[in-house]
Amino acid sequence: GIQVEQSPPDLILQEGANSTLRCNFSDSVNNLQWFHQNPWGQLINLFYIPSGTKQNGRLSATTVATERYSLLYISSSQTTDSGVYFCAVYNDMRFGAGTRLTVKP
Amino acid sequence: DVKVTQSSRYLVKRTGEKVFLECVQDMDHENMFWYRQDPGLGLRLIYFSYDVKMKEKGDIPEGYSVSREKKERFSLILESASTNQTSMYLCASSLGQPQHFGDGTRLSIL
Repeated sequence: GIQVEQSPPDLILQEGANSTLRCNFSDSVNNLQWFHQNPWGQLINLFYIPSGTKQNGRLSATTVATERYSLLYISSSQTTDSGVYFCAVYNDMRFGAGTRLTVKP
Repeated sequence: DVKVTQSSRYLVKRTGEKVFLECVQDMDHENMFWYRQDPGLGLRLIYFSYDVKMKEKGDIPEGYSVSREKKERFSLILESASTNQTSMYLCASSLGQPQHFGDGTRLSIL
């Protein structure tokens, strides 16, 4: 089945910094989604982005399907951005292992 | 707004017990999913269902079964709970894409 790899596994930022999270996948994908899991364990949809670029406030995402990767950009990070970020591909309903983000005040 | 409700936030059961985890969605979604989440492994698909009374195995179905008698409800069953089934369990639903998740059930098997 398809393999999904996320990097980096852990990221520590100072409040206000920008960051880029990466999701690589081993085969063509039909659909890709980014989630944020908050410290209470709730999974929040961020983007449904099989291709192209989307933006929502300080967050944006780009998927280059032909090169088999997706990027999540967080600008001007805030402490509330802390948590684990997952990408998921829906060929096989596969999730990456996640990137744990800690934003320090 | 989309609402996926899992019956328990925390649950503690004993080895060998039959355990039921319930999930209800109110969006008339066709598709429902059960995942477990373990540290360092992300979410792994246990079972999913594309319609009432239909079920498909995911990546890790061993030790689990499911029931979908009504469109809005998808139940995960641990036939004889074991300590290695201690985990966070997450239910999701979708109509095509994207998936919407419940708040999760943290299950401990003692």
